[in-house]
Amino acid sequence: GENVEQHPSTLSVQEGDSAVIKCTYSDSASNYFPWYKQELGKRPQLIIDIRSNVGEKKDQRIAVTLNKTAKHFSLHITETQPEDSAVYFCTPPDSWGKLQFGAGTQVVVTP
Amino acid sequence: NAGVTQTPKFQVLKTGQSMTLQCAQDMNHEYMSWYRQDPGMGLRLIHYSVGAGITDQGEVPNGYNVSRSTTEDFPLRLLSAAPSQTSVYFCASSYSSTATNSPLHFGNGTRLTVT
Repeated sequence: GENVEQHPSTLSVQEGDSAVIKCTYSDSASNYFPWYKQELGKRPQLIIDIRSNVGEKKDQRIAVTLNKTAKHFSLHITETQPEDSAVYFCTPPDSWGKLQFGAGTQVVVTP
Repeated sequence: NAGVTQTPKFQVLKTGQSMTLQCAQDMNHEYMSWYRQDPGMGLRLIHYSVGAGITDQGEVPNGYNVSRSTTEDFPLRLLSAAPSQTSVYFCASSYSSTATNSPLHFGNGTRLTVT
């Protein structure tokens, strides 16, 4: 989507290392920030989300951090495993509910 | 709950044919939407609906029509199929009417090939 930038576009990590993906948005009205994971040939599924009243949320090896001032939020995966290999999407909604996805980040975890 | 159900899973059309991709959800979600995903690319919004009787265009609406006569159903119609419409189509729904504070639930997708 034109209001969303996601970096990097591809990320190759060694198993056990950490991965960080950043999503930059333009609509300041956004207050809900989800991350989706799409495994090859499957549908996207929510893995973690955060609301604007908190700066960080963690769920086991996955965390999301939010910087509303700088208008970006990031996905952190620690102790990466082969099953983390997938495409990850961010989608900060605009104020009209027109959900635009970032281009996605292909994460490849090598043993 | 079945969640979001899309049919068919696969479809092959000839150029110029029309067809309807079906999408139904049983979660009483207000928001429903259609995306297309081309190889190696992200999801592009085709049309969306914030409630029964209300639809609006997304990023790539040309060549597609939608209607929302009930809360549960949101069919996508291809009026005259073109090879450029070869893609994987995902239907998604969300509890909040503008999907601005609740996650999207996706169907399993429809793989469409237009020859």
